[in-house]
Amino acid sequence: DSGVTQTPKHLITATGQRVTLRCSPRSGDLSVYWYQQSLDQGLQFLIQYYNGEERAKGNILERFSAQQFPDLHSELNLSSLELGDSALYFCASSVQVSGAEQYFGPGTRLTVT
Amino acid sequence: GQQLNQSPQSMFIQEGEDVSMNCTSSSIFNTWLWYKQDPGEGPVLLIALYKAGELTSNGRLTAQFGITRKDSFLNISASIPSDVGIYFCAGNNAGNMLTFGGGTRLMVKP
Repeated sequence: DSGVTQTPKHLITATGQRVTLRCSPRSGDLSVYWYQQSLDQGLQFLIQYYNGEERAKGNILERFSAQQFPDLHSELNLSSLELGDSALYFCASSVQVSGAEQYFGPGTRLTVT
Repeated sequence: GQQLNQSPQSMFIQEGEDVSMNCTSSSIFNTWLWYKQDPGEGPVLLIALYKAGELTSNGRLTAQFGITRKDSFLNISASIPSDVGIYFCAGNNAGNMLTFGGGTRLMVKP
């Protein structure tokens, strides 16, 4: 158990809908990272927050957004969902702002039908 | 963008065998990491390497940070059935993101 928690475990929704994925980092970790894992693209970095502020952006679509709250939990919002958004979404956390050692949660499997 | 090429893509192992896999990059990294992912789970950090030429062990696992900073190797000695899974290399440049390889899938020989 990495200490990172994610909810829900599974999510099934229809095209055009909006969903919110939730992540709680390990106790003491200030950085939260979101990754997407799909069969064709592998593990891709989406976005990072450190202590409530956005620090880095990767291949994140305009339809996706995230935020980190004062209690350090983070939410990833996915809107106007398309079939191609079906994937595993992982949250990771690290102590430092430039944390190479990132610890991953169990993921949320999103299925868009 | 940066890409990590991991090989082999898949391999069969027999219990007791030693296993080797590697990861190469077109550009340098300051940190190399190795993760293992089991079905339906998130990647689990196995080893982190911080210096070129560094050799680090974690039980039966040994990883090396290539001297050119563009590659890394992972060896598993005396494999056991629970070693089955997907192994990912990842690179980091004191930035914020990890760049992942495509993974090496370890399977058990029938």
